[in-house]
Amino acid sequence: GQNIDQPTEMTATEGAIVQINCTYQTSGFNGLFWYQQHAGEAPTFLSYNVLDGLEEKGRFSSFLSRSKGYSYLLLKELQMKDSASYLCAVMDSNYQLIWGAGTKLIIKP
Amino acid sequence: ETGVTQTPRHLVMGMTNKKSLKCEQHLGHNAMYWYKQSAKKPLELMFVYNFKEQTENNSVPSRFSPECPNSSHLFLHLHTLQPEDSALYLCASSPSDRGESTEAFFGQGTRLTVV
Repeated sequence: GQNIDQPTEMTATEGAIVQINCTYQTSGFNGLFWYQQHAGEAPTFLSYNVLDGLEEKGRFSSFLSRSKGYSYLLLKELQMKDSASYLCAVMDSNYQLIWGAGTKLIIKP
Repeated sequence: ETGVTQTPRHLVMGMTNKKSLKCEQHLGHNAMYWYKQSAKKPLELMFVYNFKEQTENNSVPSRFSPECPNSSHLFLHLHTLQPEDSALYLCASSPSDRGESTEAFFGQGTRLTVV
């Protein structure tokens, strides 16, 4: 079967750095997405990785290792507004998105 | 504002009621999706439409009936639902459902409670 694993919940301190991991087993691979979802709001796109390595976008970076079936989302200089759920999703060989259950990130002052 | 609008935002319905969820996108996309999001569970893909044609139906019970009259509008008709159908229903759109690894744009969802 296909599955995506990510931690259920993480806690971090304002101004710090946090890394959210995602491991996957899918039928084929056409890229990995990270989305942010604030409570009661729509998921919004953060990043897309299809090649190995690190993609940096401001305070957020996303890393991919296809051989290990592994990705992480790195958030720097955390702000209170970063409190949200972070969803990892992999596009399989049929171009279907396989979703993780999401990681709820709690930021404390 | 993602360019995808869902109505209503909240819906409470009895098990014998019939209701419809509406989704509209102003992005010129060709693919539209219905997802179910339950607490602490992965997003479940329900239906996919590409150029108004249904391309995926992930074994969804017949009490959920989709309708896509054009590339900008998508409906989910609900009837004789069960309490376990209570969830957040998300609509999304993307340029295409095949061949392009591009992001999907989500609406804010309809919070459905079946009583």
